Amino acid sequence: QVQLQESGPGLVKPSQTLSLTCTVSGASISSGAYYWNWIRQPAGKGLEWIGRVYTSGTINYNPSLQSRVTISVDTSKNDFSLKLTSVTAADTAVYYCGRGLSGPLELWGRGTLVTVSS
Amino acid sequence: DIQMTQSPSTLSAFVGDSVTITCRASQSISSWLAWYQQKPGKAPKLLVFRASTLETGVPSRFSASGSGTEFSLTISSLQPDDFATYYCQQYNSYLYTFGQGTKLEI
Repeated sequence: QVQLQESGPGLVKPSQTLSLTCTVSGASISSGAYYWNWIRQPAGKGLEWIGRVYTSGTINYNPSLQSRVTISVDTSKNDFSLKLTSVTAADTAVYYCGRGLSGPLELWGRGTLVTVSS
Repeated sequence: DIQMTQSPSTLSAFVGDSVTITCRASQSISSWLAWYQQKPGKAPKLLVFRASTLETGVPSRFSASGSGTEFSLTISSLQPDDFATYYCQQYNSYLYTFGQGTKLEI
């Protein structure tokens, strides 16, 4: 079955760039009309949608993060990535990748904790 | 941004009870609403999409309704596995937003 797996450093220093990759297994990232999303959740708090990419190249970002976020897809590696620049402690969270046809996210990765600390 | 407000924030119940969680949107979102269940340390799980359609495999004790700005998720005959945090999510616009969550506890 299709699975998503987040990977990347668990610790990032303040002002540096957070970089995560979501690897898709069990299916081609190019198959189907899916949006590939990033979502985050600070400890004990709710969910915040970061952005999404469509394999056609369409990308949408949360305006609150848009100036710092880049999402990209690599069909040759069957993965998509998140870069968040100039991080602060407020960016400490569990980061999830997720798949959806339009809005509902019917498939999620297990999540990866990223801590911003010196 | 479309703001999503859930109530209550915390809900105490017993096994066998029926409970209802509500979600209100700051503007009309038609039926573009999803519900998720999240357990500690786990990713959210999609329960409902398009306001009232159960995702495949979701038990029939879950039901959902609503349109416009008012939505609800009802769980009848609560089972031990249902104690979790529930989130609503609107997808009327590409800027998805979630409710703050409702923790269902024993």
